[in-house]
Amino acid sequence: AQSVTQLGSHVSVSEGALVLLRCNYSSSVPPYLFWYVQYPNQGLQLLLKYTTGATLVKGINGFEAEFKKSETSFHLTKPSAHMSDAAEYFCAVSDQGSGGYNKLIFGAGTRLAVHP
Amino acid sequence: ETGVTQSPTHLIKTRGQQVTLRCSSQSGHNTVSWYQQALGQGPQFIFQYYREEENGRGNFPPRFSGLQFPNYSSELNVNALELDDSALYLCASSATDSYGYTFGSGTRLTVV
Repeated sequence: AQSVTQLGSHVSVSEGALVLLRCNYSSSVPPYLFWYVQYPNQGLQLLLKYTTGATLVKGINGFEAEFKKSETSFHLTKPSAHMSDAAEYFCAVSDQGSGGYNKLIFGAGTRLAVHP
Repeated sequence: ETGVTQSPTHLIKTRGQQVTLRCSSQSGHNTVSWYQQALGQGPQFIFQYYREEENGRGNFPPRFSGLQFPNYSSELNVNALELDDSALYLCASSATDSYGYTFGSGTRLTVV
């Protein structure tokens, strides 16, 4: 069964510093991979996704992620953190159930704090 | 283009009661999925509806049930509420065979 592991439940960076949020997955088939952001008391907003093609994926708000099959990783990065990046970040992998329906399997999340 | 709308935003129920949560899907989307997000955890898949029928379910008991209507909106019903049902319930809509999920802002359910 597919699964997602996010290393570090809490990450703290200084404003302007590099953001690196780690995600490893397990999948028996070529995965589709996603990063979502959740601000307090809100739903999930898609940052970026990998389906096929180029392994470096660029998303919104300056974030990007690289799919590394050999490492089964899909880490999220941003060169320079902004105070507005403080939020909860979720990595997810696609899963196809019996009957052909699609669903997402999420990691436990990483809370990013950005301090001045 | 409207996004996914969920109602209510918050509600409090007593253990043993029943609750209905509602979701209006994004225009052009015909598939609706429901997720439960307990405090401090990632969302967990409850079930998915397509063409007004449940076509997939996660590891949730039968007291979690749903409906999808001809306009693709959906309801999540939970019977015999338990304290552990306290969570944020997220609705996501998508087009057929698409991974372009759009999530709503969720309904925060508190069971006391």
